[in-house]
Amino acid sequence: GAVVSQHPSWVICKSGTSVKIECRSLDFQATTMFWYRQFPKQSLMLMATSNEGSKATYEQGVEKDKFLINHASLTLSTLTVTSAHPEDSSFYICSARDRAGNNSPLHFGNGTRLTVT
Amino acid sequence: AQKVTQAQTEISVVEKEDVTLDCVYETRDTTYYLFWYKQPPSGELVFLIRRNSFDEQNEISGRYSWNFQKSTSSFNFTITASQVVDSAVYFCALSVISGNTPLVFGKGTRLSVIA
Repeated sequence: GAVVSQHPSWVICKSGTSVKIECRSLDFQATTMFWYRQFPKQSLMLMATSNEGSKATYEQGVEKDKFLINHASLTLSTLTVTSAHPEDSSFYICSARDRAGNNSPLHFGNGTRLTVT
Repeated sequence: AQKVTQAQTEISVVEKEDVTLDCVYETRDTTYYLFWYKQPPSGELVFLIRRNSFDEQNEISGRYSWNFQKSTSSFNFTITASQVVDSAVYFCALSVISGNTPLVFGKGTRLSVIA
């Protein structure tokens, strides 16, 4: 079945540094990928919609200059948390749908647990 | 706009008991999908079911069953004869069918099954 690979699965970084998270669709092409954030014991909140070859669409309250999204190919989207701070510590999950059809299900990566010290 | 409400924040049951997780949704769209996901402590989302708005048939898969009631905008999930391995957070989610749209998640229900 379709698989979405997310890397790294966990990362610890120092405050002020930047962290890049990759999301790859392994056996399908995705024109659109979605990035979610989940704080401890909370739900998944959509951060942004990543569109191949164009700018991402950010949800209200999400800083686009802080969370840089690049969707350079049909199988790869990256989320870069710039100048990370402890409050950015969270679980980040990407998802993608096979562009072959709108009826195809949304596939999720296994998530990246970011801890900023 | 879409909204998913999971009123039960936490549920605790003893092993072998049946448990039902409630999900109520809101949408103005007439065509949509409803989902249930399981999130174990390791964090990944495990897909359980997808149901489209045209299909109100209830579904059973092993110990899992789902009751879709369009009249009450509910999509409840029942685990029969619960097991300790069922302990996890369960999310109900909704997406419209038209276009490439994301899922809107409920806040989740944390299920603890005690041996």
